[in-house]
Amino acid sequence: EAQVTQNPRYLITVTGKKLTVTCSQNMNHEYMSWYRQDPGLGLRQIYYSMNVEVTDKGDVPEGYKVSRKEKRNFPLILESPSPNQTSLYFCASSFRNRGRAGDEQYFGPGTRLTVT
Amino acid sequence: EDQVTQSPEALRLQEGESSSLNCSYTVSGLRGLFWYRQDPGKGPEFLFTLYSAGEEKEKERLKATLTKKESFLHITAPKPEDSATYLCAVQARGAQKLVFGQGTRLTINP
Repeated sequence: EAQVTQNPRYLITVTGKKLTVTCSQNMNHEYMSWYRQDPGLGLRQIYYSMNVEVTDKGDVPEGYKVSRKEKRNFPLILESPSPNQTSLYFCASSFRNRGRAGDEQYFGPGTRLTVT
Repeated sequence: EDQVTQSPEALRLQEGESSSLNCSYTVSGLRGLFWYRQDPGKGPEFLFTLYSAGEEKEKERLKATLTKKESFLHITAPKPEDSATYLCAVQARGAQKLVFGQGTRLTINP
């Protein structure tokens, strides 16, 4: 089954304790992206990757890191989490520029993070 | 700057009562407009992609249409299971990023 998976699905942690949220896709997509979703603010892009070893900042990258060492995986790293990073996080993936207009992104189930 | 505005923020309908959700957008050359459905605590689920003005797509009780400035998601004879937040997003020409609207929270009462 084609899917995007994320782990963990729920996480409660304390300020300053490094954490990693994993994301994996089995659709051979080049493009992967991380979003956070907050009430009243909608989905905002954190980081994205156009392919292996190619990553770039989105709209709200402060406090986050990513890496793309393999095509299928795109982990999100919070080296020193703070309470303002409490949010619902989504990973998404898509093909890139397949010669047709528009590349629909497929989303993972989400990771609810609480930082106390 | 690319922008998406959805209205209304919330809509409550009776089962069987048809209506439309609006997505207004400004983008520097549209590559694609996307509709997603999101259930509480879950990831957005892809519904439709529209590429050019005049295009229409249908799936069960949902029909999406596109003009040069806006898209509509028409829901015909909705059922309670259609209750969800519906998200609209645009992708600009030459870009990979999706710009999302805030969504419309749809509730269908039995």
